[in-house]
Amino acid sequence: AQKITQTQPGMFVQEKEAVTLDCTYDTSDQSYGLFWYKQPSSGEMIFLIYQGSYDEQNATEGRYSLNFQKARKSANLVISASQLGDSAMYFCAMRSWSGAGSYQLTFGKGTKLSVIP
Amino acid sequence: EPEVTQTPSHQVTQMGQEVILRCVPISNHLYFYWYRQILGQKVEFLVSFYNNEISEKSEIFDDQFSVERPDGSNFTLKIRSTKLEDSAMYFCAKTRGSSNTGELFFGEGSRLTVL
Repeated sequence: AQKITQTQPGMFVQEKEAVTLDCTYDTSDQSYGLFWYKQPSSGEMIFLIYQGSYDEQNATEGRYSLNFQKARKSANLVISASQLGDSAMYFCAMRSWSGAGSYQLTFGKGTKLSVIP
Repeated sequence: EPEVTQTPSHQVTQMGQEVILRCVPISNHLYFYWYRQILGQKVEFLVSFYNNEISEKSEIFDDQFSVERPDGSNFTLKIRSTKLEDSAMYFCAKTRGSSNTGELFFGEGSRLTVL
């Protein structure tokens, strides 16, 4: 079974500073995918970044980068130059393939990020 | 980026009533998913739907839940007899393009409140 652990229930960061949100995972699958989503107070789930287990380079999307350390089973999200609009809940998730060909995401409990002006 | 539209954005219902939540994706998508998030908790997988059939479902998805694609475009989640514990945000999701790989994109969610 897959498991995602986010150990930081809440984080504070000064505007314009960088912040790292931690995520560790557990799986017996050889092939898997890791996701980060942002959930602002309005409730929608916004896709941020994706890392495949066989990707050799860390994923980057604008100010977001994923620090993927396969041996340590960690997939930390790094947000550079934080903005006030980054204040939200952030969820780490892992993709697992079902025998039926579809896939499910297993989510962590989330980290609430607050950006301080 | 792909878009998923969900309706209603918020629904309040009495316990025991039937609720239908709708998802309007781009028509060439074959794989769809429903997830739910009880307030303050993590997002949980409910069901996956491929080519007009349920592909996989979680233990949460019991007999009171059903999914269908009645007109070939809209994708619905029905809760037959709502319970208080069904109060949650329900998300429809789909992958990019018509394949079942890569990123999963969520709709804006339908918030269900059961009184």
